[in-house]
Amino acid sequence: DIQMTQSPSSLSASVGDRVTITCRASQSISRYLNWYQQKPGKAPRLLIYGASSLQSGVPSRFSGSGSGTDFTLTIRNLQPEDFADYYCQQSYLIPVSFGQGTRLDIK
Amino acid sequence: EVQVVESGGGLVPPGGSLRLSCAASGFTVSTNYMTWVRQAPGKGLEWVSVIYSGGSTYYADSVKGRFTLSRDNSMDTLSLQMNSLRVEDTAVYYCARGLRYSAYDRVGLFYFDYWGQGALVTVSS
Repeated sequence: DIQMTQSPSSLSASVGDRVTITCRASQSISRYLNWYQQKPGKAPRLLIYGASSLQSGVPSRFSGSGSGTDFTLTIRNLQPEDFADYYCQQSYLIPVSFGQGTRLDIK
Repeated sequence: EVQVVESGGGLVPPGGSLRLSCAASGFTVSTNYMTWVRQAPGKGLEWVSVIYSGGSTYYADSVKGRFTLSRDNSMDTLSLQMNSLRVEDTAVYYCARGLRYSAYDRVGLFYFDYWGQGALVTVSS
């Protein structure tokens, strides 16, 4: 099974900041890595697919990069609505797996 | 507008059964990959099961042999039959569409683009 490890587990930042969340896969998954945002009581929302492709309707301040085993999600110019939980996910191999999540809160 | 809607959640005693359903508008369930992802209270996301457009099904080890994912092509709905439920199955269950990255990629490479609002399943005596 492929294990997905995110860091940090939690992160405090201010509006206007730039933050980076990393995700590491236990084996190579090429560029088949996706990022989701989840707010309390809501369903996850797709942000980035294929490591760096921005889902339609997602603001351009979100970006993703990486390939193989190491990936990053970067949020530039943080907005109040960006404070949420973030998850990486792979479906390169079954079972599909998610990272444990990163909680981004307001400093 | 695309919408995914789950139904069938509720309270069930340990060892009991429950059936979740998922319907969609804006796309055809039977020609897409469809998946279930769950989230226990205060925890992260956990993948449960997927059905490919060709009908193949796959399960997480934690539910294998107890949960069955099926599709009704005539009704264009998805069902997750959950048997022998355990307290640790308590979670919000999300139904989501799995979209293939590319028709040229091998089968099984997908991401989840549309999600339902979730159905709460509580297993408790």
